[in-house]
Amino acid sequence: EVQLVESGGGLVQPGGSLRLSCAASGFTLSDHSMDWVRQAPGKGLEWVGRTRNKANSYTPEYAASVKGRFTISRDDSKNSLYLQMNSLKIEDTAVYYCARSMSDWGQGTLVTVSS
Amino acid sequence: DIQMTQSPSSLSASVGDRVTITCRASQGIRNDVGWYQQKPGKAPKRLIYAASSLQSGVPSRFSGSGSGTEFTLTISSLQPEDFATYYCLQYNSYPVTFGQGTKLEI
Repeated sequence: EVQLVESGGGLVQPGGSLRLSCAASGFTLSDHSMDWVRQAPGKGLEWVGRTRNKANSYTPEYAASVKGRFTISRDDSKNSLYLQMNSLKIEDTAVYYCARSMSDWGQGTLVTVSS
Repeated sequence: DIQMTQSPSSLSASVGDRVTITCRASQGIRNDVGWYQQKPGKAPKRLIYAASSLQSGVPSRFSGSGSGTEFTLTISSLQPEDFATYYCLQYNSYPVTFGQGTKLEI
């Protein structure tokens, strides 16, 4: 059974940093592209970025709204995906989901950016 | 960026009704579309991929169609558990983009 469990969310001040983790199980992480998607309170879904699979050299892609501030990485040996978020803004407040090839999703972790 | 214009934004229906939700892409995207269902406080669940392929385990009352720029999600006979918000998604090109969502209410 595929399982994705996000962690690392919390309250952070504007300008601060946070690293989210996504623990994967039930499949071989290196075989799959992995995405981060977020949802601001009461709003729709917004794609944040992707890391491609090993066959595609793990090449990342990012939404314009986070490019240069957020970095996606992965450690296949630990079956884990990460989202490093720097220079956080109030508008980054959202539930952050990791997803396997946009098919299977974790339960999400809440990031609140506020002073 | 490819815009996905989803309509309607909300829809009132009854158990047993047939409902259709539409997404229009701002440019041709072949059949690179998925449909998702989201219930309050829960993660999205994929229903359809490649515009018309039913995700394993999803009831057959859900169906998708379309290619190019026009896509539809149809629920043939609404069940109580289908009242939720639905999103389309295009993955033809980056950035991946979602429609604005359709809230399906009783």
